[in-house]
Parts: sequence; structure tokens; C-alpha cells
Amino acid sequence: GAGVSQSPSNKVTEKGKDVELRCDPISGHTALYWYRQSLGQGLEFLIYFQGNSAPDKSGLPSDRFSAERTGGSVSTLTIQRTQQEDSAVYLCASSLRHKNIQYFGAGTRLSVL
Amino acid sequence: GENVEQHPSTLSVQEGDSAVIKCTYSDSASNYFPWYKQELGKRPQLIIDIRSNVGEKKDQRIAVTLNKTAKHFSLHITETQPEDSAVYFCAADGSGNTGKLIFGQGTTLQVKP
Repeated sequence: GAGVSQSPSNKVTEKGKDVELRCDPISGHTALYWYRQSLGQGLEFLIYFQGNSAPDKSGLPSDRFSAERTGGSVSTLTIQRTQQEDSAVYLCASSLRHKNIQYFGAGTRLSVL
Repeated sequence: GENVEQHPSTLSVQEGDSAVIKCTYSDSASNYFPWYKQELGKRPQLIIDIRSNVGEKKDQRIAVTLNKTAKHFSLHITETQPEDSAVYFCAADGSGNTGKLIFGQGTTLQVKP
């Protein structure tokens, strides 16, 4: 594909609802990362996938957050029982292999009311 | 824990002047240091990166220097132009073998025409 694609671009939800955010990485990229960017802040690492290896979940802030990557390509980040502090831009990045240049998607702006 | 500190948080320069942004990192095992530029509402885009086996890298008006002993690295932009106005993020690769990036808090650069 032309680049990392994320959907939806914007998501407004009510507190307590579940949301799913989707990331479609660059074709052929085996490594996929999720980051969170709160207003005026840097990017915070959430989770990493590499091929069929077990993901690195060390950055997930709570057990309400989970992610999967099916078939080594598309990834879904799920936030259960959303809270207002979950409001942020969620960015996905992919790289050819781990420790290579990371290319970012445009992000999903999540607003929890 | 892993940490990247970035200074200054805001920087205003006149067109044609130089701009310098500095970062320090905590993990002595870090080996990869990218810089990303993020325009308002856009995705972060890599502008330059450096690995620990070199001390300096240049690409036209942009240069990055790395001091591994002191654990700091800097971005230098010469002959600044209004289109350089954006938020700049430094990052360092985190612990483990994943290539996850630990980001600084960002520097908002304003270039006045």
C-alpha cells in the first residue's frame, strides 16, 4: 500500500463504551507498533507486534487495553469501558523489520465524553 | 525507567537563523535516534536519524549530532524557512529487542518570516 492506513480518523464515544481502532500497515512490513499521543505530549509506546512472535505489551496502560494482529497484517487496538483519560490520538507505525525506520499512520483521534 | 528529555519545549527564530533542539536519554543501551517532524493535524514524519556508530549526520539543512558518552543528541536546522514551523520529536530505541521508540515531549518551532 501507499502508506500506513488507520481508521476511523475520528471517533467520539461515551464513557464506558468499547472502541476498536484499526491499523493497516505498509505491505511487507513485519513490525507494527501502537503509540498514544495525548494533547501537547510526546508519543507513548503501547504495544509491538513482530511476525508471529509474542507481542510486547509492556506499554499498555491497563487491562482495558488489548490489541491483536491477524495474519501478520492488519491490527486492531481495543479499549474496553473507555474513560475520559483515554482521549488521545492513537498512532500506528510499521517498519520493514524490527529496529528499522518506523512509518506512521495519520492516527485515530479518540474523544471520550 | 526509560526516559528521553527534550529541550526547549518552544523555540521561535527568525527566518534564515539556525535552530537547535537538544535531547538526553537514560538507557545506555539505546543505539538508534530518529527525529520526527509533525505538522498540525498530520502524522509524524521522519526527517533524519542516526545510529550509535556515528557521531554526526547531515542532510542538506538538517544535521544531527550524537554524544554517546554524555547520552545526548541534538538536531540542528540551518537557514530556517517558514515551512520548517512544526513540532519536532526526538526519540531513542528502548530496551529489549523490539525497536520500540521512547519519545521526547516535543519542541514547537516557529519560524517568523
